Amino acid sequence: GAVVSQHPSRVICKSGTSVKIECRSLDFQATTMFWYRQFPKKSLMLMATSNEGSKATYEQGVEKDKFLINHASLTLSTLTVTSAHPEDSSFYICSARAGGGYEQYFGPGTRLTVT
Amino acid sequence: GENVEQHPSTLSVQEGDSAVIKCTYSDSASNYFPWYKQELGKGPQLIIDIRSNVGEKKDQRIAVTLNKTAKHFSLHITETQPEDSAVYFCAGGQGAGNMLTFGGGTRLMVKP
Repeated sequence: GAVVSQHPSRVICKSGTSVKIECRSLDFQATTMFWYRQFPKKSLMLMATSNEGSKATYEQGVEKDKFLINHASLTLSTLTVTSAHPEDSSFYICSARAGGGYEQYFGPGTRLTVT
Repeated sequence: GENVEQHPSTLSVQEGDSAVIKCTYSDSASNYFPWYKQELGKGPQLIIDIRSNVGEKKDQRIAVTLNKTAKHFSLHITETQPEDSAVYFCAGGQGAGNMLTFGGGTRLMVKP
């Protein structure tokens, strides 16, 4: 149980284009989903928290107009990187938590490369 | 806010030996402390967690201890195996409904 998927696992896009990453909870309802960014050999940096049906809460320093987050259902959240630039290249990971639960379960991550 | 520090950053042990990773936290209101294992190119996997109402929890070869007074918690892996090699992250938070703060990670290498 507690499986979270992400799609795509890898994506390469050109500078100036947008890319969408999907995060799905496969066997539970995720009232809260989190989006993290991870640089090589570094820890997880929380970008934003999204609750189903509500606007996402962004961490300080994260541009909400650049990283669009949608959590329209209890099993799906999306992160759209708009007008991507090479400095946006990173490993993006989502996690999901059931309502009232303590545990966060992570997806496998998406490697974004912007050329 | 919460601040979680993790030590050591790298740890090398011989197969069969034990490994211990330690974390400290700053917010006395934190009551939930999970540990994650991350293999190269993959997402973190929850391996064990502990809540503040207990001092120790064990699951086969892994165990976690919590000292609320000192605000530190530790991961213990016994009889290490090469497949235990990975990066381990501790985290702390106020449980249900709240975000987690992660430590900096420990790269564990188990030499066969």
